[in-house]
Amino acid sequence: DQQVKQNSPSLSVQEGRISILNCDYTNSMFDYFLWYKKYPAEGPTFLISISSIKDKNEDGRFTVFLNKSAKHLSLHIVPSQPGDSAVYFCAATRKGAQKLVFGQGTRLTINP
Amino acid sequence: KAGVTQTPRYLIKTRGQQVTLSCSPISGHRSVSWYQQTPGQGLQFLFEYFSETQRNKGNFPGRFSGRQFSNSRSEMNVSTLELGDSALYLCASSLLTVSSYNEQFFGPGTRLTVL
Repeated sequence: DQQVKQNSPSLSVQEGRISILNCDYTNSMFDYFLWYKKYPAEGPTFLISISSIKDKNEDGRFTVFLNKSAKHLSLHIVPSQPGDSAVYFCAATRKGAQKLVFGQGTRLTINP
Repeated sequence: KAGVTQTPRYLIKTRGQQVTLSCSPISGHRSVSWYQQTPGQGLQFLFEYFSETQRNKGNFPGRFSGRQFSNSRSEMNVSTLELGDSALYLCASSLLTVSSYNEQFFGPGTRLTVL
């Protein structure tokens, strides 16, 4: 039962353009969502999060959008830089809980 | 402030053996969670410890166990290793408050290979 899904295993974007990574969830009990970035042989690094009471959160080049009715969130990176090439994981959880439910990840490649 | 540390970084075992992995959380963090990452199943939650008590457990067999010490350091143990246990095992720590959301900080992981 995949409660959090990232349907695109990979994405290739030209440097300077916008990268859009998508994530869908099925469990309506989730009320907090996070994006992590992961390089090979390293642990995931927290990027940005959003609570279900918001529909947008911005931090520098990273913006996360949440559409609760569609149970869909997306991460926008603009402008994309070569250092952004990594695997991006979407995760969901509930207030006070420590269990993160992760999507399968999307490998983002930024081409010069 | 030092990050989450995990030892060892790499481990090779044979089927039937057991293994113990160690995690030291960020200073002041009292919650430690463990995750397993495999190519087929992705990142899956194993269990979480707070104040030496297991608060939550994922859907893994009883061969997977853990514990937390009074200094918040945690260990996980896998007994009777199977080939399918080959994975990257990640530890994450966080401050724990029940009324808010807590960012989890991950360690670099232990790469376990079962032959």
